[in-house]
Amino acid sequence: AQSVTQLGSHVSVSEGALVLLRCNYSSSVPPYLFWYVQYPNQGLQLLLKYTSAATLVKGINGFEAEFKKSETSFHLTKPSAHMSDAAEYFCAVNSGYSTLTFGKGTMLLVSP
Amino acid sequence: DGGITQSPKYLFRKEGQNVTLSCEQNLNHDAMYWYRQDPGQGLRLIYYSQIVNDFQKGDIAEGYSVSREKKESFPLTVTSAQKNPTAFYLCASSIRLAGADTQYFGPGTRLTVL
Repeated sequence: AQSVTQLGSHVSVSEGALVLLRCNYSSSVPPYLFWYVQYPNQGLQLLLKYTSAATLVKGINGFEAEFKKSETSFHLTKPSAHMSDAAEYFCAVNSGYSTLTFGKGTMLLVSP
Repeated sequence: DGGITQSPKYLFRKEGQNVTLSCEQNLNHDAMYWYRQDPGQGLRLIYYSQIVNDFQKGDIAEGYSVSREKKESFPLTVTSAQKNPTAFYLCASSIRLAGADTQYFGPGTRLTVL
């Protein structure tokens, strides 16, 4: 079985502050892990993915995530938030199945 | 321009009516998926298809039906048996990259039952 837990349905940061969105997964085999971003009334856009090549994964828009097997985590970070980063973020896992399992999402709010 | 298109963007339906949502892709992906999104619940898988003329139920298939007659197309029908169909519907397709099936999404269709 595979599952994803995203801690915090809403995260608020000030513009220029560090962004940290948390994702923990459960998997019986080495997983593939993904982060997606969704802007209002749009589809999901792939930010980055972990496929076992490197534990620190860099994505688009300055985001990166680190795979930590011992902590079963794949947290998403960005050093300095921009207003345009305000969106909903989804973590997802695939551990050998044909489908992805998504977390419930974290809404990132950025204040000036 | 390669991508996934969904139509219409907004759809209104009266109770008791069936309605079909369109999803087309020109990415030459083998697999396609339908998700339902409700506020605070993330994405829930309705149906998926890994190859033409074959599809499998996801976690919430009741009240929905699909077909996969062409590689490029995977329409979803929301039937009158679906008790609460108002939601945002997302279609995706996938390709295997570096061993991982990577899904790409369309822009979505928002269905409202009046």
